[in-house]
Amino acid sequence: EAEVAQSPRYKITEKSQAVAFWCDPISGHATLYWYRQILGQGPELLVQFQDESVVDDSQLPKDRFSAERLKGVDSTLKIQPAELGDSAMYLCASSLEQGATYEQYFGPGTRLTVT
Amino acid sequence: GDSVTQMEGPVTLSEEAFLTINCTYTATGYPSLFWYVQYPGEGLQLLLKATKADDKGSNKGFEATYRKETTSFHLEKGSVQVSDSAVYFCALSEAAGNKLTFGGGTRVLVKP
Repeated sequence: EAEVAQSPRYKITEKSQAVAFWCDPISGHATLYWYRQILGQGPELLVQFQDESVVDDSQLPKDRFSAERLKGVDSTLKIQPAELGDSAMYLCASSLEQGATYEQYFGPGTRLTVT
Repeated sequence: GDSVTQMEGPVTLSEEAFLTINCTYTATGYPSLFWYVQYPGEGLQLLLKATKADDKGSNKGFEATYRKETTSFHLEKGSVQVSDSAVYFCALSEAAGNKLTFGGGTRVLVKP
């Protein structure tokens, strides 16, 4: 069964350092999402791509976060500089297309700890 | 904006007990409603969904009914197993962008 791949699974970094996460969606999925899940809370959308275009990045802290999906396939989320409050699980999801009828499939996540 | 509120956990049950997790929502339009489950060390998995009022979603013995009049989507299972121990998230999605808005999650622990 096809899965969403994410790496690394765990990352420990010091504050003020740069960190990057990678996501490979299910083949053929046009829509890709990055969510952030703070411990004990539900995930919140950071950015949504349709192919290589950003559809929604209204909750992305653009002073320190950036995301790209250059060829409309895999995606990278970067934080520079990292802050203590960025410690969280970063989840990637993909769906065939936009629209509530299309199921989102989630990857295993990258757990970030900022010290 | 859209929001989802679900009962706080943890919920601790004995095997074969009845499980209910309450979920209510606020939305501007007519959203689709979902229950996701997160097992320890794994990503979120879709458990069930309902796309319009009075629809009932069901899967693996779990079910939930979309109640527009009470803006609710409560999750139920008649007889839980130890393997049902997980965190359960209620979520909604407005039709256009498919962005999911999640509740805070409810941890369920089933003891043998």
